Amino acid sequence: QKEVEQDPGPLSVPEGAIVSLNCTYSNSAFQYFMWYRQYSRKGPELLMYTYSSGNKEDGRFTAQVDKSSKYISLFIRDSQPSDSATYLCAMSAGNTPLVFGKGTRLSVIA
Amino acid sequence: GAVVSQHPSWVICKSGTSVKIECRSLDFQATTMFWYRQFPKQSLMLMATSNEGSKATYEQGVEKDKFLINHASLTLSTLTVTSAHPEDSSFYICSGRDTRRAQETQYFGPGTRLLVL
Repeated sequence: QKEVEQDPGPLSVPEGAIVSLNCTYSNSAFQYFMWYRQYSRKGPELLMYTYSSGNKEDGRFTAQVDKSSKYISLFIRDSQPSDSATYLCAMSAGNTPLVFGKGTRLSVIA
Repeated sequence: GAVVSQHPSWVICKSGTSVKIECRSLDFQATTMFWYRQFPKQSLMLMATSNEGSKATYEQGVEKDKFLINHASLTLSTLTVTSAHPEDSSFYICSGRDTRRAQETQYFGPGTRLLVL
């Protein structure tokens, strides 16, 4: 079993839809959870950062972490064509390199 | 957020030549920097981790004599691809982490696209 599993998609939704992106993981030592957005031919951009379990909201983005289920989610409300990108989950046990999911390719169709 | 720059953004070189890529943290001190490579439609593959002033730690399967990493200051790390071959063509991305902060986040550069002919 890989440390971090993420459905690669592609995921295609109409503009305005709510998007749900998810990752599961196996290492119970992970405490720091991040979501990055990567546009084609660009470096990843940090979207959300969460420590331990709970929810965090930033504008149209909500990140959820459920450590008991080893499951994290990113929700995008009122999705826009500009949200079309690859979304990478990443996590760390602390003072260690991030472990990334494979990324989910999202297309928001106008 | 913190800003990381990379130079050059793309480079084309002949097989057998060496290429140096610079990674700079512009508004924070990156005590730790990471180098990744990424093939089309694939995720990031960690190549090495470097801490300022010490030797880099390479991931399994990455040739340290081929991919030379220098992290001489808190704001600059360089990756030199020596004797480049076409199979080294890839997207190279660096990231920096300020370990003096509580957060474990990494901030990524825009990437360098390398094409070896």
